[in-house]
Amino acid sequence: AQSVTQPDIHITVSEGASLELRCNYSYGATPYLFWYVQSPGQGLQLLLKYFSGDTLVQGIKGFEAEFKRSQSSFNLRKPSVHWSDAAEYFCAVGSYSSASKIIFGSGTRLSIRP
Amino acid sequence: GAGVSQSPSNKVTEKGKDVELRCDPISGHTALYWYRQSLGQGLEFLIYFQGNSAPDKSGLPSDRFSAERTGGSVSTLTIQRTQQEDSAVYLCASSLGYSDTQYFGPGTRLTVL
Repeated sequence: AQSVTQPDIHITVSEGASLELRCNYSYGATPYLFWYVQSPGQGLQLLLKYFSGDTLVQGIKGFEAEFKRSQSSFNLRKPSVHWSDAAEYFCAVGSYSSASKIIFGSGTRLSIRP
Repeated sequence: GAGVSQSPSNKVTEKGKDVELRCDPISGHTALYWYRQSLGQGLEFLIYFQGNSAPDKSGLPSDRFSAERTGGSVSTLTIQRTQQEDSAVYLCASSLGYSDTQYFGPGTRLTVL
């Protein structure tokens, strides 16, 4: 069965610290992978996406993610978080053969400690 | 360029009533998606349109839910005989085409009393 797992429901990091949010997927076809951010009271915003090519993907707001096929992972990273990064982060997976249905993880809520 | 818009932003209704939620996609986007986000949950796929047709309705939770899209643009999600478990944020997204990045609207928060 196709699925996306975000094992961390809630993470708290100090401002200026590094961040890694985990995402694991189970998908039969070659996956497309996405990270979205949802700030309080706002809609979902695409941070970055991986379709093919370089497995290290750069996104907006200083985020990056690395696709590791052998580990079925697509973890999101940021070297130094800012208070404005506090939000809910969603990993999602789709494929060219089933692009109509992108499967989302349950999300990781990020809190920033001053 | 305008993004995806949804209306109303909030809807409170009584159990048993019908509601209509509207989505205006980004101009030129042929694909349109509806999702539901319940409190503390991830996104649940409901339905996908390519143009005016819906090749994938697999996510609609019951026959009380229906959706249509006209003119390859605006879409309406209708929930008949609403139940309390229908309370959620309903999100619409559009993309340029098949397999392209989806851009999300701000959502409609539905509360069924």
